[in-house]
Amino acid sequence: GQQVMQIPQYQHVQEGEDFTTYCNSSTTLSNIQWYKQRPGGHPVFLIQLVKSGEVKKQKRLTFQFGEAKKNSSLHITATQTTDVGTYFCAGPRWGGYNKLIFGAGTRLAVHP
Amino acid sequence: GAGVSQSPSNKVTEKGKDVELRCDPISGHTALYWYRQRLGQGLEFLIYFQGNSAPDKSGLPSDRFSAERTGESVSTLTIQRTQQEDSAVYLCASSLGTGQETQYFGPGTRLLVL
Repeated sequence: GQQVMQIPQYQHVQEGEDFTTYCNSSTTLSNIQWYKQRPGGHPVFLIQLVKSGEVKKQKRLTFQFGEAKKNSSLHITATQTTDVGTYFCAGPRWGGYNKLIFGAGTRLAVHP
Repeated sequence: GAGVSQSPSNKVTEKGKDVELRCDPISGHTALYWYRQRLGQGLEFLIYFQGNSAPDKSGLPSDRFSAERTGESVSTLTIQRTQQEDSAVYLCASSLGTGQETQYFGPGTRLLVL
């Protein structure tokens, strides 16, 4: 069945280091979304990418959608303790209209 | 408020009891979703409501789980004869329902089955 996979599952970095999480889909996606969940919190939408090869930036966060629209990445430059949390990617389910299939998430720990 | 609300925020129950979890979506959002998130795990899709269409129940793990939605408003997720493995955070999300758009999540209900 359709799968969305994320790697790594967990990463800890020193504050100031960069961080990247990768998302891979078993199927071509019409769009991909990224969410952040702080510890003890709920997922919060970060961004949606629609076009092949699209790159979007939010301050220190850079999101990229692959040319084949099957993979995506989130890169954080110079991590801060406020970046701590789990980052999920999500893509539409086949024939699912509004339904999303979420990756398992990458949990980021930042050590000061 | 303008966001998705859920109640109760925490629920502790004994094995075998029934529980009812409530979700109030954002006003005007026709699509509503329920997810389960076990500790340290990802989001497990449970059920999806879209307007007046028949709900997509493909994610419900057993017949002990059911959900209803009144029109395009409140939804309740019911778990009958709870088991310890039902312990998790149950998250509700809503979206406009016009396409593959952003989902807005509620704070979740933390369920602990003793």
